[in-house]
Amino acid sequence: AQKVTQAQTEISVVEKEDVTLDCVYETRDTTYYLFWYKQPPSGELVFLIRRNSFDEQNEISGRYSWNFQKSTSSFNFTITASQVVDSAVYFCALSEARSNTGKLIFGQGTTLQVKP
Amino acid sequence: GAVVSQHPSWVICKSGTSVKIECRSLDFQATTMFWYRQFPKQSLMLMATSNEGSKATYEQGVEKDKFLINHASLTLSTLTVTSAHPEDSSFYICSARDDRGRGDEQFFGPGTRLTVL
Repeated sequence: AQKVTQAQTEISVVEKEDVTLDCVYETRDTTYYLFWYKQPPSGELVFLIRRNSFDEQNEISGRYSWNFQKSTSSFNFTITASQVVDSAVYFCALSEARSNTGKLIFGQGTTLQVKP
Repeated sequence: GAVVSQHPSWVICKSGTSVKIECRSLDFQATTMFWYRQFPKQSLMLMATSNEGSKATYEQGVEKDKFLINHASLTLSTLTVTSAHPEDSSFYICSARDDRGRGDEQFFGPGTRLTVL
């Protein structure tokens, strides 16, 4: 069965600190996709990244970086020099390719609060 | 590109009434759309997969007679909450797969906040 676990329910940091959001997933499929989304207070989901299971290369986009490790089934997200505007709920999600349904399984979400 | 809209953005209704929520893909065709529900401080839970021209596929535990889904065109899916009750109050989010794109990519609407009094 597929499952996504975000063990950190809430994280609070002070502006300019670095913060890492953890994501651990379970799947029996060899081909799958992992996603991170940001949900600000407005509620609209903002797509951050998509990674397929064959691409373990870490990615950096500005202050955001992602560490994908298949050996530990983890796909962690780091924000460098956090800002107040980063305050939101962040979701990690998994989609299996084999079923081709496109269904997304979301983790429980991590609420990030960045204080000035 | 790849914009999904939802209407209404929020709705308040009385218990026992039915509410229809629309999900539209504005600049692409979507044979497949998804409906999610999110309770306060919780994650998104998939309710059903909506397929154009065929019946929706509901997730376990979701009442298909209560949450009616109609996907009559390649750009529109509707979710009707029938005989709504206070426990149906939630944030409903739709997403759509672009028929031309990668099968794993979904584009999300802005959500509809339903409050049942």
